[in-house]
Amino acid sequence: EIVLTQSPATLSLSPGERATLSCRASQSVRNFLAWYQQRPGQAPRLLIFDTSNRATGIPARYSGSGSGTDFTLTITSLEPEDFAVYYCQQRSAWPLTFGGGTKVEIK
Amino acid sequence: QVHLQESGPGLVKPSETLSLKCSVSGGSVSSSNWWSWVRQSPSKGLEWIGEIYHSGTTKDNPSLRSRLTISVDKSENHFSLKLTSVTAADTAVYYCARGGILTWFDIWGRGTLVTVSS
Repeated sequence: EIVLTQSPATLSLSPGERATLSCRASQSVRNFLAWYQQRPGQAPRLLIFDTSNRATGIPARYSGSGSGTDFTLTITSLEPEDFAVYYCQQRSAWPLTFGGGTKVEIK
Repeated sequence: QVHLQESGPGLVKPSETLSLKCSVSGGSVSSSNWWSWVRQSPSKGLEWIGEIYHSGTTKDNPSLRSRLTISVDKSENHFSLKLTSVTAADTAVYYCARGGILTWFDIWGRGTLVTVSS
């Protein structure tokens, strides 16, 4: 099973600041990595797929990068609605797995 | 626009079977998509349970394989989950989603909380 480790667990930032979230895979997932946002009481929402492609309707302040085992989600200037939990997920191999999440909270 | 809706009992007794249905609207379960079940608990986070194609081909998480059945009903446009011999560790919010090994989870149901308790 491919284990995805996200860091940090919590990121405390102010609106307008830049957020940088990390996801590390226990083995290469090639570029088969996605990022999801989850707000309280809601289902996860696809933000970034195939490492760096924004899903439909996702603002340009979200970007993804990386390859192999190390990936990054960047939010260039945090808006109030961006404070949420973010998960990475791989579909390079069964079983599909998710990271443990990074909570972006208001400082 | 495709919508997914989970339904089923919110409370299941230990050792019994958890059964959930995911109804697909605005689209067809027979389209060229894989359909998955994902659950979320405080202890395990997000956990992929398994996926199914309209042909009936399935793939499941080895950690649940011995207790799991995923099926599809094309006439009723839904797919289902059965998990046998449940314990408190199976308490979670269960989501159905479009996607799997070939495509990302781009559409999710709202989720349904299932509690295992006597």
